[in-house]
Amino acid sequence: GAVVSQHPSRVICKSGTSVKIECRSLDFQATTMFWYRQFPKQSLMLMATSNEGSKATYEQGVEKDKFLINHASLTLSTLTVTSAHPEDSSFYICSAPSNTEAFFGQGTRLTVV
Amino acid sequence: AQKVTQAQTEISVVEKEDVTLDCVYETRDTTYYLFWYKQPPSGELVFLIRRNSFDEQNEISGRYSWNFQKSTSSFNFTITASQVVDSAVYFCALSEANTGRRALTFGSGTRLQVQP
Repeated sequence: GAVVSQHPSRVICKSGTSVKIECRSLDFQATTMFWYRQFPKQSLMLMATSNEGSKATYEQGVEKDKFLINHASLTLSTLTVTSAHPEDSSFYICSAPSNTEAFFGQGTRLTVV
Repeated sequence: AQKVTQAQTEISVVEKEDVTLDCVYETRDTTYYLFWYKQPPSGELVFLIRRNSFDEQNEISGRYSWNFQKSTSSFNFTITASQVVDSAVYFCALSEANTGRRALTFGSGTRLQVQP
């Protein structure tokens, strides 16, 4: 079964609205989770590192005020895309590392219309 | 800085052919992990293999095999007797091991199309 659960798998929202994506580690505690973004036919790029109990760290070029990350517990990280624009339409996928592997969620396909 | 290069953007083969997907990496770390993932059209990443930098043994799992060569910084993936179900995008990835920063650096991916 899935070790990391990500919801929703697909979402369509209107421009200007906010969308929240949840990432849960089911079988283990994750003090760190990663959020990646994948544009069509491109690779996965790390957006930010979610840290339980402290602020997230963002990769260069990623707007922290637009992509709000909250690591509320050892099993849950959320990514909120605020004031979404069509150019935010992408595939977002989270990852929770264990000692031996990087477990990925199922991904969320976001379409902003 | 880390970098993963998958020079083959797209490969098309006919079923039952063997195919090799290339992966070349760059890192300054002496300890690191290498991965291969399969991404079908649904988008989810399917884990295929993880290899640490101290283990250069080749690995075989069914029709899949991997060739890790530190001398050339390569970690190539071969599918033997390809099948239509192998059609997907395949990503090679690298992560550090020493610093605890375990985010993956992905290559650009290779789209494999297996024709019946």
